[in-house]
Amino acid sequence: AQKVTQAQTEISVVEKEDVTLDCVYETRDTTYYLFWYKQPPSGELVFLIRRNSFDEQNEISGRYSWNFQKSTSSFNFTITASQVVDSAVYFCALPNNLFFGTGTRLTVIP
Amino acid sequence: GAGVSQTPSNKVTEKGKYVELRCDPISGHTALYWYRQSLGQGPEFLIYFQGTGAADDSGLPNDRFFAVRPEGSVSTLKIQRTERGDSAVYLCASSTGPSGELFFGEGSRLTVL
Repeated sequence: AQKVTQAQTEISVVEKEDVTLDCVYETRDTTYYLFWYKQPPSGELVFLIRRNSFDEQNEISGRYSWNFQKSTSSFNFTITASQVVDSAVYFCALPNNLFFGTGTRLTVIP
Repeated sequence: GAGVSQTPSNKVTEKGKYVELRCDPISGHTALYWYRQSLGQGPEFLIYFQGTGAADDSGLPNDRFFAVRPEGSVSTLKIQRTERGDSAVYLCASSTGPSGELFFGEGSRLTVL
């Protein structure tokens, strides 16, 4: 089966708090790419990150970081010191963009 | 163009009518994807083109849906005998290849009355 599960439907945090968005997946592929996308209120989906299933090193980009664990089939996304502009719906996708999760709506309260 | 362009941005039609949605990808992108997104849901994969050919059309819900990309650039998604359940935002995305990051258009909102 190919499936992406984002169990958190909605999360609200106060500005400057850290927040982690969870993503668990199932795939029959042995090698694959995983993705995160952001959909702000304007509606257009924006790419955030791509990881190869061979590379389990955590990645940090500014306030964003990603934790990929193949053993637990998880690819979690953390925003440090959240800002109001981070308010959006975030989607996890794999393999190779064919399956998207249902998304997590993040609201950052000023 | 600079980004992925989709037309029309909004389409209202009556049940049973035929609809075409157009996608103009980023120049040079060989991969093109169609998704549809209903309110509160993630994008649902419909079809993926690599060049002119449909590499994966497993997401098309039934034979009323068809897509073409005759010259490996612009793509058209065609929906016959539209039903109210077809109402959604239809998203197009392009990429440099099957594992590349997707660049999305703003979508075409289809409403079937």
